[in-house]
Amino acid sequence: QVQLVQSGAEVKRPGASVKLSCKSSGYSFNVYSVHWVRQAPGQGLEWMGKINPSAASTIYSQTFQGRVTMTSDTSTSTMYMELSSLTSEDTAVYYCARENAVRSTDYWGQGTLVTVSS
Amino acid sequence: EIVLTQSPGTLSLSPGERATLSCRASQSLSDNYIAWFQQRPGQAPQLLIYTTSTRAPGTPDRFSGSGSGTDFTLTISRLEPEDFAVYYCQHYAGSPRTFGQGTKVDIK
Repeated sequence: QVQLVQSGAEVKRPGASVKLSCKSSGYSFNVYSVHWVRQAPGQGLEWMGKINPSAASTIYSQTFQGRVTMTSDTSTSTMYMELSSLTSEDTAVYYCARENAVRSTDYWGQGTLVTVSS
Repeated sequence: EIVLTQSPGTLSLSPGERATLSCRASQSLSDNYIAWFQQRPGQAPQLLIYTTSTRAPGTPDRFSGSGSGTDFTLTISRLEPEDFAVYYCQHYAGSPRTFGQGTKVDIK
């Protein structure tokens, strides 16, 4: 079955970077794009961007342009999302989600909590 | 950027009642690319409906979606205890794929 398994919780200092992983299984990795979405505590969902692993092409939200980098490792079927220059406002749960053949996101990872605190 | 506005913010209903959730887009959406997600506390969002009205696999038929252009609706015909959650709409008619701010359906 399709699964997206994300890396564990992180605690970072302001100004640092964080790199999260999302390992996929149960489907053809190169066929489907993966999106990253975050959710601050008690808040709604915020779309960050997507990566097409076969083309290694990315589309980022303007909100994160210049601070976010999404990559993929086809050898391990793993996606990565790196966010730099962290502030307390980046404290959130970060989700990866697979884009299906009809362009919606059908399978989601369990989420990774990133806490930014001095 | 397309802005999605959901209403109401909170819907207080009893099990067995009908829930009607609204999602309004700031501009007309091509191909009705609207999806609805359910999120329970401490869980990842779960896809319920895509392309306005198509139920995702495993979505109970008490959930239905409708709409076109700028106005979209998620209807839950008879609320079950497990339906009390937060619901988000999202467009995927281009980038950025914005979400609405969510509607919380809670127990009256």
